[in-house]
Amino acid sequence: GENVEQHPSTLSVQEGDSAVIKCTYSDSASNYFPWYKQELGKGPQLIIDIRSNVGEKKDQRIAVTLNKTAKHFSLHITETQPEDSAVYFCAASGGDSGYALNFGKGTSLLVTP
Amino acid sequence: DAGVIQSPRHEVTEMGQEVTLRCKPISGHDYLFWYRQTMMRGLELLIYFNNNVPIDDSGMPEDRFSAKMPNASFSTLKIQPSEPRDSAVYFCASSTLAGLGNEQFFGPGTRLTVL
Repeated sequence: GENVEQHPSTLSVQEGDSAVIKCTYSDSASNYFPWYKQELGKGPQLIIDIRSNVGEKKDQRIAVTLNKTAKHFSLHITETQPEDSAVYFCAASGGDSGYALNFGKGTSLLVTP
Repeated sequence: DAGVIQSPRHEVTEMGQEVTLRCKPISGHDYLFWYRQTMMRGLELLIYFNNNVPIDDSGMPEDRFSAKMPNASFSTLKIQPSEPRDSAVYFCASSTLAGLGNEQFFGPGTRLTVL
């Protein structure tokens, strides 16, 4: 089945700096790659997603890049703010897993003022 | 829309007791997913339904776990008998493939503690 690896597990940046989180996946047939943000005591919430026919997608301060050949994708957050502090999860679906999402282990991001 | 609704939000029970977690998906969504979240294993898919029919239950840990979806607006996840290692946060999520989306909307979760 699909295996999603996520790095780093923790990340601390200063307010205004950029943060980058990277994920790799194993199933070359996977075609949908969402990123979720989870705040304390809440369920994960989608912040951005990308499909395999696109290499990059941007939404204000958040961008995702996808390299299908290398089977990795990354989340970029620019001009970080304290409210960006949360746990971020990457996921992959399609291929053998069908519509089910296979999640990475998560990255705990801390943005210090 | 109220979003995905889960109940209870917290459950504390003793080993050996039966536990039932409940989920109401977003109206109109035809996919429903049950996940378990622990520090050690992260977010794991347990089972998912399409149009009330179980599609993939390969993530259900063992026969003590069972899930049902009697209608489009209600699903249950039952653990009988419960064990301390079942302690986790259980999330329900729903989605629809209408249009181009595949976003899964998560509920607030049920924090289960088995003593």
